[in-house]
Amino acid sequence: SQLAEENSWALSVHEGESVTVNCSYKTSITALQWYRQKSGKGPAQLILIRSNEREKRNGRLRATLDTSSQSSSLSITATRCEDTAVYFCATYRGSALGRLHFGAGTQLIVIP
Amino acid sequence: NAGVIQTPRHKVTGKGQEATLWCEPISGHSAVFWYRQTIVQGLEFLTYFRNQAPIDDSGMPKERFSAQMPNQSHSTLKIQSTQPQDSAVYLCASSSDWGSYEQYFGPGTRLTVL
Repeated sequence: SQLAEENSWALSVHEGESVTVNCSYKTSITALQWYRQKSGKGPAQLILIRSNEREKRNGRLRATLDTSSQSSSLSITATRCEDTAVYFCATYRGSALGRLHFGAGTQLIVIP
Repeated sequence: NAGVIQTPRHKVTGKGQEATLWCEPISGHSAVFWYRQTIVQGLEFLTYFRNQAPIDDSGMPKERFSAQMPNQSHSTLKIQSTQPQDSAVYLCASSSDWGSYEQYFGPGTRLTVL
């Protein structure tokens, strides 16, 4: 089983709306990351949220972390067509670096 | 900074042929990672190097896959006797040091085995 998993396979919203992608994880973590992958590109980090943080913002993006329930969310406000992508949560096992464990990803489609 | 460079971007091989994929990490990064991505399996870890030394190859299929990092500026992933199930996007990533959580990914090489 995966260490990190998003809760939705796919979401669609109309441009300008807000959307939230949820993630659950199964290990103690020092940080959780959210990545975005656009078609034909590799994943790119959006936000890193450390285990002692409850919320982190980056422009229109907001990530939350709840270590008691081992869950995280990524919210995007005022969505744009260019937000159409696959969104992954990812973590390392415990404090060890090295391989990143990715969820299966959530495909977000923003409809013009 | 050109980012992580992967060549070729697309490769088509016949069943049983060899495929070599190249990765040039970001200059100064000490760690290089290889992942494989398919619709069915998602993102799978294959192997990684730190300071050119192999650290973890637990994700590598043992028989036909090998990876090397002969110098700090490039790594190769070689697949011998390719099979249709090897068809995937192979992603290379690099990161700067133990304190950096972010991995920087290249665009990937799409391998198609006919």
